[in-house]
Order: sequence, then structure tokens, then C-alpha cells
Amino acid sequence: GQQLNQSPQSMFIQEGEDVSMNCTSSSIFNTWLWYKQDPGEGPVLLIALYKAGELTSNGRLTAQFGITRKDSFLNISASIPSDVGIYFCAGQLFRNSGYALNFGKGTSLLVTP
Amino acid sequence: EADIYQTPRYLVIGTGKKITLECSQTMGHDKMYWYQQDPGMELHLIHYSYGVNSTEKGDLSSESTVSRIRTEHFPLTLESARPSHTSQYLCASRGLSTEAFFGQGTRLTVV
Repeated sequence: GQQLNQSPQSMFIQEGEDVSMNCTSSSIFNTWLWYKQDPGEGPVLLIALYKAGELTSNGRLTAQFGITRKDSFLNISASIPSDVGIYFCAGQLFRNSGYALNFGKGTSLLVTP
Repeated sequence: EADIYQTPRYLVIGTGKKITLECSQTMGHDKMYWYQQDPGMELHLIHYSYGVNSTEKGDLSSESTVSRIRTEHFPLTLESARPSHTSQYLCASRGLSTEAFFGQGTRLTVV
């Protein structure tokens, strides 16, 4: 699959701080998705982005689809302890047999009270 | 809320045993996927299906096999489990939209 570079690999922040993470690729994607995974659970979709330049919010989360279609970022404002988890970006592009979903390696977020 | 279910949630089994991990979704999605994930690590696609009787191997080579006899059901089988198969296995499905929905996963331990 196409390689996605997600950074940072991990973050250790204090409650109330803002968080920013991003995902880049050498390939162009049609869609960017952001997921959060709690320990021992499956990933849960947070935000989906469909158009280059699109900026979408979901509560304290904001994500943008890069103009070049090769990157995306996710911001979390005023972090709280329940934001702890691993955040994955995923890009989708169309292959001959349908859409392929490619995941980044994840950003592990730890929030201290 | 996504309606995709995996059973069992946890499985500890001895080496050499045959196991089947179940995945079912009630959303009528055509596309289904299996990912393998070690704790805290990235997701690796091991199998996918775009419809009944369609199965393909993913990017990561796996000794497991899958079948898709019914739209809602996408089981994964290991004929002879080994300790190297210890991992979390995640099932996902997609419909016409581009979002994929995940099950809660099966954590497999082979002793």
C-alpha cells in the first residue's frame, strides 16, 4: 500500500493544552479519515474529509484536507484526560478493484490532569 | 453507531489448534477488511473482500484464510495457530460512503 507518514509518533501533554498532529504522503488521496483507538478497542472514526482544502470540525477536533491532497492534519483543542489514545490517519485512493484504505502508524497521545 | 461485531473478544489457545475469528455486520456493506495490529502499533491489512465470493490478500502476508459466503459475514481462519500469530485482529466494513467502520477486535494469544 501507499506509505503514510504520521507525526509525531507520541505526545505527552498537560490537560488543557492544544494538540496538533499530521499525516503526509507522496501519493494523492481522494479522502482523508482520522480515527481514534482506545486500548483494547477498535478504531472509531472521528472526522472524514473529502475535498482538498476542506476544514471540518467535530467538537474540539478540527481536521483539514491539504491543498495538495497529499497531507492532512488534526488539531485537538483544550485536551482532556479522555483524549488519551492512539490517533490514526487514513487515506483512501481508488485502485482498479475499488477504494484502498491506507493507515498511518499512529500518534499515541497521553494527557496528564 | 456502527453495527459490526467480532467474536470472541479475547482468545487464548494452544499451539496447533485451528481457530476461526468471526466478524459480522448488519449494515449491508459490500466491502469488508481484516487488519492485524500488535499493541500500540500500526494496522496492517491482511485480507479484504469487495463482495460475496470475492477475497483478496492484503499488504501484509498472513497464514490465515478468509471466506465470504454471505454479505454480512467475513470469518478469518487459522488452520494451525502458532505463537507468532499472537496479535489483535480487527475487522472493518464499508458501504457506498468512504468511511470504514471497525469492530472491537479480537485479541488472540497463542501459547
